[in-house]
Amino acid sequence: DIVMTQSPLSLPVTPGEPASISCRSSQSLLHSNGNNYLDWYLQKSGQSPQLLIHLGSNRAPGVPDRFSGSGSGTDFTLKISRVEAEDVGVYYCMQARQTPVTFGQGTRLEIK
Amino acid sequence: EVQLLESGGGLAQPGGSLRLSCAVSGFSISSYAMGWVRQAPGKGLQWVSAVVTSGGVTYYAAAVEGRFTISRDNSKNTLYLQMNSLRADDTAVYYCVKSPCIGNCYSTFDYWGQGTLVTVSS
Repeated sequence: DIVMTQSPLSLPVTPGEPASISCRSSQSLLHSNGNNYLDWYLQKSGQSPQLLIHLGSNRAPGVPDRFSGSGSGTDFTLKISRVEAEDVGVYYCMQARQTPVTFGQGTRLEIK
Repeated sequence: EVQLLESGGGLAQPGGSLRLSCAVSGFSISSYAMGWVRQAPGKGLQWVSAVVTSGGVTYYAAAVEGRFTISRDNSKNTLYLQMNSLRADDTAVYYCVKSPCIGNCYSTFDYWGQGTLVTVSS
């Protein structure tokens, strides 16, 4: 199975400041078709997860442009250019390069 | 508007069975890969199963293989998860998920249901 490792696991951020979450996979997520099968999800308190970024760097419809995804192969990053109060929650990376689909442990973003 | 509405959760005894349903509106489930993801209380996300559009091929996590069966009724636009031989560690909120994938693929979950809680306890 592909192991997904996120860091940090807890991220206190001052509103208006940037934030960055790292996700590393134990195997390359780069397919021969050129796609990295890495997604980012946000789960707000009491809600279902929601898709933020797919295929490594593509924002889902309706996701603010302060969110961006980058990386390739085994190293990926989710960046928030200026954190807002509504960004609080747990962020998960997920690989779908092969089954079983696996998730990172989650990174809890909180406002300082 | 896309909606995924799970039902069928509840309390089951160890060794018992439950069938989860996911009633879908806003798109045809026969056109996209669908699946289930679960979340144990206070824990992270765990993928459970997926069914792709190409030949209806199914995939399962090792923890549920042989005990759970994913299926869909295209006429009812509903996805199912038959769960047998339930164990305490199957206790979780089960989310129905849609993938934008067409064909033999299952990547990305662009829509999630609200989840249904399954509790396995004597």
